[in-house]
Amino acid sequence: EDQVTQSPEALRLQEGESSSLNCSYTVSGLRGLFWYRQDPGKGPEFLFTLYSAGEEKEKERLKATLTKKESFLHITAPKPEDSATYLCAVQARIKAAGNKLTFGGGTRVLVKP
Amino acid sequence: SQTIHQWPATLVQPVGSPLSLECTVEGTSNPNLYWYRQAAGRGLQLLFYSVGIGQISSEVPQNLSASRPQDRQFILSSKKLLLSDSGFYLCAWNREGAWAYEQYFGPGTRLTVT
Repeated sequence: EDQVTQSPEALRLQEGESSSLNCSYTVSGLRGLFWYRQDPGKGPEFLFTLYSAGEEKEKERLKATLTKKESFLHITAPKPEDSATYLCAVQARIKAAGNKLTFGGGTRVLVKP
Repeated sequence: SQTIHQWPATLVQPVGSPLSLECTVEGTSNPNLYWYRQAAGRGLQLLFYSVGIGQISSEVPQNLSASRPQDRQFILSSKKLLLSDSGFYLCAWNREGAWAYEQYFGPGTRLTVT
């Protein structure tokens, strides 16, 4: 069974204080790993897809990296508007019906000015 | 471009009442569609998914049901709501990417069962 564990559950940062979020996964052959951002009361917003170990993707102050067992979301010099819950999900290589994703519990990030 | 709509945005219903939540997708055809529930401060639990009209797969036994009467319409229903049905309900669709299939989410429906 595919599993995704995110840590920490919550992260409080000062504006400009860089940090990293962890997503550990167990999957029967990784097809893709996905990062989402979710603001309170809204649906998750797609950020990145990573396909293979060593791959990196960047968007503004966010950078996602992937190894064979985990992914990191690095937040560089965060601003208050980066405050959100960040979700990680995986999809197995075996083409399961419906292309289902398995999500982690998320990391709540609060950036204080 | 593709957009996904959900309504209502918020709903307060008494225990034992029926439920109908609707999701529609625009700008694509034959999408895979998904219903998730998110409890407060928790991750996403997949409830149902559909790969085509009339094709529904259930992931979690519960008193909810889903239907897909049209290609881009997905409905979540219940005949009698329970207190435990409260939560944030999200609809999602996916398209074919380079290799993996990221999902795109709607704005969600906040359901409170009283």
